[in-house]
Amino acid sequence: GQLVESGGRAVRPGGSLRLSCAASGITFDVLGMSWVRQVPGKGLEWVSGVNWNGDSTDYADSVKGRFTISRDNAKKSLYLQMNSLRAEDTALYHCARNLALAGTYDAFDLWGQGTMVTVSS
Amino acid sequence: IVLTQSPGTLSLSPGERATLSCRASQGISSSFFAWYQQKPGQAPRLLIYGASNRAPGIPDRFSGSGSGSDFTLTISRLEPEDFAVFYCQQYGDSPTFGQGTKVEVK
Repeated sequence: GQLVESGGRAVRPGGSLRLSCAASGITFDVLGMSWVRQVPGKGLEWVSGVNWNGDSTDYADSVKGRFTISRDNAKKSLYLQMNSLRAEDTALYHCARNLALAGTYDAFDLWGQGTMVTVSS
Repeated sequence: IVLTQSPGTLSLSPGERATLSCRASQGISSSFFAWYQQKPGQAPRLLIYGASNRAPGIPDRFSGSGSGSDFTLTISRLEPEDFAVFYCQQYGDSPTFGQGTKVEVK
């Protein structure tokens, strides 16, 4: 099983982008999911998490009010709507699956390879 | 919750023991503490969850311990494939990661 992200590209400051994460061959609809980003060569930053059915979400302070996480269990997909993008949002964005919990976050036992978002004028 | 890892870099030889530390800015439940390994060009891999539980498929040379605000990852005997960057994570509150410890070949 795997997670495959898509939607990353270069965008101007202030712009918007929607990232997708497609799950295949794995349990998806009973576990929470998150987005975690990483500036190349730097550390990991949790961005946002959603519970198993999408009715509970949480965000890092750095993206609160600008990003929206959602999921479609029928399509086994996770999304991240990113608005008002800033240069500091430039990073590789990974989706990650909760190890065992249906809630908003957990340890993450499965990660995608990531999709790169570059915010630059 | 801020997690501070030490040392920043650990230079060791294969076969040696590695001890990595992670200190939290406030006490956290050991139930919500994890360690990851990341190699260049790869996604992170979960090693330890609940402070001391090995994830499926993780060799028993990896062990985790700790409670409160101080946690440790120990690699009993380094294998060539173990050299990488290691991150701690807490998930009792909005998740945060440490800044990483690089274990490099001496």
